[in-house]
Amino acid sequence: SQQGEEDPQALSIQEGENATMNCSYKTSINNLQWYRQNSGRGLVHLILIRSNEREKHSGRLRVTLDTSKKSSSLLITASRAADTASYFCATDAGGGYQKVTFGIGTKLQVIP
Amino acid sequence: EAGVTQSPTHLIKTRGQQATLRCSPISGHTSVYWYQQALGLGLQFLLWYDEGEERNRGNFPPRFSGRQFPNYSSELNVNALELEDSALYLCASSFHSGSANEKLFFGSGTQLSVL
Repeated sequence: SQQGEEDPQALSIQEGENATMNCSYKTSINNLQWYRQNSGRGLVHLILIRSNEREKHSGRLRVTLDTSKKSSSLLITASRAADTASYFCATDAGGGYQKVTFGIGTKLQVIP
Repeated sequence: EAGVTQSPTHLIKTRGQQATLRCSPISGHTSVYWYQQALGLGLQFLLWYDEGEERNRGNFPPRFSGRQFPNYSSELNVNALELEDSALYLCASSFHSGSANEKLFFGSGTQLSVL
């Protein structure tokens, strides 16, 4: 089974609203990354949070990590139509990228 | 600076044929990773190349193979294509080999359709 699992699988919101996506994982991790994928194209790295960090910000993105609950959340504030994409979490449990597992993603639709 | 480039964008093959997919990493990146993204599934790790060597492979049969050239570009070959090989194949590169503390840079992928 996937190490990282995003929830919800799909999310539809109005432009200007906030979007929250969650990621749960099963084993201890070194870091967790969030990526965005537009329309089945390549993934774009958004943010990396290390296991000793609890929160990280990048522009309109806010990522939290709760290692006790083995979960992370990605918050996009003041969403825009251009944020419409699939969002993936990737967990690194050690061993390099060959061991990094990606979830199946949350498909976000932002309605103008 | 050019990003990771993949070719072709789309590839249509019939069952039993062979497919060759190509990837050029970002200049200065020595590590190239290949992933398979089938519809509705997450990215599945296929292969990792660094400095011309295959460093690791995922849980895929031997008909999935590849190589990395001296200029660090890479090729993924899929022999004896099966219908379930239809997927988006993504190539990614990174600066530091083996470390997952550096972000991956992805290409736009090759959509392989097996008929």
